[in-house]
Amino acid sequence: EAGVTQFPSHSVIEKGQTVTLRCDPISGHDNLYWYRRVMGKEIKFLLHFVKESKQDESGMPNNRFLAERTGGTYSTLKVQPAELEDSGVYFCASSLLTSGTGAGELFFGEGSRLTVL
Amino acid sequence: GNSVTQMEGPVTLSEEAFLTINCTYTATGYPSLFWYVQYPGEGLQLLLKATKADDKGSNKGFEATYRKETTSFHLEKGSVQVSDSAVYFCALTPQAQKLVFGQGTRLTINP
Repeated sequence: EAGVTQFPSHSVIEKGQTVTLRCDPISGHDNLYWYRRVMGKEIKFLLHFVKESKQDESGMPNNRFLAERTGGTYSTLKVQPAELEDSGVYFCASSLLTSGTGAGELFFGEGSRLTVL
Repeated sequence: GNSVTQMEGPVTLSEEAFLTINCTYTATGYPSLFWYVQYPGEGLQLLLKATKADDKGSNKGFEATYRKETTSFHLEKGSVQVSDSAVYFCALTPQAQKLVFGQGTRLTINP
């Protein structure tokens, strides 16, 4: 079974440009999460989809970030316009359960490294 | 609020050494606690977890015990191998919601 896949693995753009990151979750996983790790610090939550709906977007830093999950399958995260502080590794994760003892068992992709110059 | 504080790295050990990576947390309620690991070139993967006080999670020779009295979940392994070189993240889920991570500890094991 395929795991969580993310594309691109690395993107280098200039300040002010636009970048779109894509995540394909594990088939059948209704829950999809975006996280970000900046400058070797802690991994921070960005948002959570349940199917195509945004369950929690409290971690989105500002309105330059737009996440979508059309049809409840793959998700995209667009940064427009990109700023220097957006550089980091963006992780996508998916899961089947959000309650009970299985909660918190997320399956992560390898991450998309974004470098803004 | 909810937060996780990990032992700062990087940590470098020789093969067969004993490993401890400290993790303490602050949380409301009774969170579940996790250790995730990221091997080079791979995504994060769940290493072990504990869902209530005094539970011990274990996997691949690693262990961690949920200590409510000290709000800790330290990761230990008795004899590390070169293949254990990775970045380790302690995390919690407050009330089965989103994961809150620590800053990660890079571990390098030399032969």
